[in-house]
Amino acid sequence: DTVLTQSPALAVSPGERVSISCRASEGVNSYMHWYQQKPGQQPKLLIYKASNLASGVPARFSGSGSGTDFTLTIDPVEADDTATYFCQQSWNDWTFGGGTKLELK
Amino acid sequence: EVQLVESGEGLVQPGSSMKLSCVASGFTFSNYGMNWIRQAPKKGLEWIALIYYDSSSKYYADSVKGRFTISRDNSKNTLYLEMNSLRSEDTAMYYCAKEAREGLFDYWGQGVMVTVSS
Repeated sequence: DTVLTQSPALAVSPGERVSISCRASEGVNSYMHWYQQKPGQQPKLLIYKASNLASGVPARFSGSGSGTDFTLTIDPVEADDTATYFCQQSWNDWTFGGGTKLELK
Repeated sequence: EVQLVESGEGLVQPGSSMKLSCVASGFTFSNYGMNWIRQAPKKGLEWIALIYYDSSSKYYADSVKGRFTISRDNSKNTLYLEMNSLRSEDTAMYYCAKEAREGLFDYWGQGVMVTVSS
């Protein structure tokens, strides 16, 4: 299985820029996707195929990377962005990262 | 508006069976692959099953292979997950999710909670 590794948590202040990383145990081409999950809600697609913004997602969100290293960037961070962010690859079956919990200071 | 509404949640004993349903609306259900994805309490997401748009192929995670069966009824816009020989480690929120191109999940249901405990 392709293992995706994310940092467990980050804390930033509103208005700042934050980068959330996801490292794959093997190359996944550009088949990396990002989801936002707020407490008590289902996940929501943010970014697909590494850098494409999903419909209705604010342009404050962006994605980059290829191969094994990927980044989700939020700039600027807003209070409503408090959530857990998951990466997911679909190059080799389907696996998710453990999630990064974003907290606002 | 795309909607996915799961049902069938509950508490069951280890070794028992349970069936989940997911009713879809707002898109042409018969054109898309559908998935079940679960999330154990305070844990991450685990993909567990995929069924092609026409039921021609089905795929399962190793953790559920041989115990769970995914199926669909395109005439009823409904996805199913039959779960047998349930274990405590199957306790989780179960989501149905629509698959877009290239293996991403563009719409998710609100989830149903399955608790396996004696």
